[in-house]
Amino acid sequence: DAMVIQNPRYQVTQFGKPVTLSCSQTLNHNVMYWYQQKSSQAPKLLFHYYDKDFNNEADTPDNFQSRRPNTSFCFLDIRSPGLGDAAMYLCATSNRGSGRYEQYFGPGTRLTVT
Amino acid sequence: AQTVTQSQPEMSVQEAETVTLSCTYDTSESDYYLFWYKQPPSRQMILVIRQEAYKQQNATENRFSVNFQKAAKSFSLKISDSQLGDAAMYFCAYRSAGVQGAQKLVFGQGTRLTINP
Repeated sequence: DAMVIQNPRYQVTQFGKPVTLSCSQTLNHNVMYWYQQKSSQAPKLLFHYYDKDFNNEADTPDNFQSRRPNTSFCFLDIRSPGLGDAAMYLCATSNRGSGRYEQYFGPGTRLTVT
Repeated sequence: AQTVTQSQPEMSVQEAETVTLSCTYDTSESDYYLFWYKQPPSRQMILVIRQEAYKQQNATENRFSVNFQKAAKSFSLKISDSQLGDAAMYFCAYRSAGVQGAQKLVFGQGTRLTINP
């Protein structure tokens, strides 16, 4: 089945130690999104890629970066994680121009910062 | 900017009963899409149902249906014959229909639905 895959599902990192979260998709969608979701809250969009075009949200801290080396993969880099960055990170995709407007979500990576 | 409001942080319903989750939104746009997403505990967020604003007919997907009131900017979700597997956080979301721009989802705060056996 076509899907959005996130690795790892659980990640523990130390305060200030860089960490990378991975997302891949077999849907061949042209848009990939990264969200941060804290407990019992709505997902908060960090940034998205439309093909290779990167779009950052105005309130996304500089500590968060992203890379999309090809259509299938997208990475979230947290350069110096703080305790406040502990959250679930969701990757999602959509296919702009397809006539379908919903986003498809991965299972998420739960990040713990010690 | 668009906003989405879910006024019920928590709801509960007896198994096999019907429950309605509320959602209102604010926008100046005339063309947009609305969604209900379900996020079970520790599980993936999945799309439950979607509604195009230009369609007057309310969307239905099996036991799930919406009551879309465009003038009132209301988009409620009705779950019929509730099942234990329906227990989840439900998010209402809005997306502009424009082909330009971020095409972002604007989420409500969520409603946690509990199903009582």
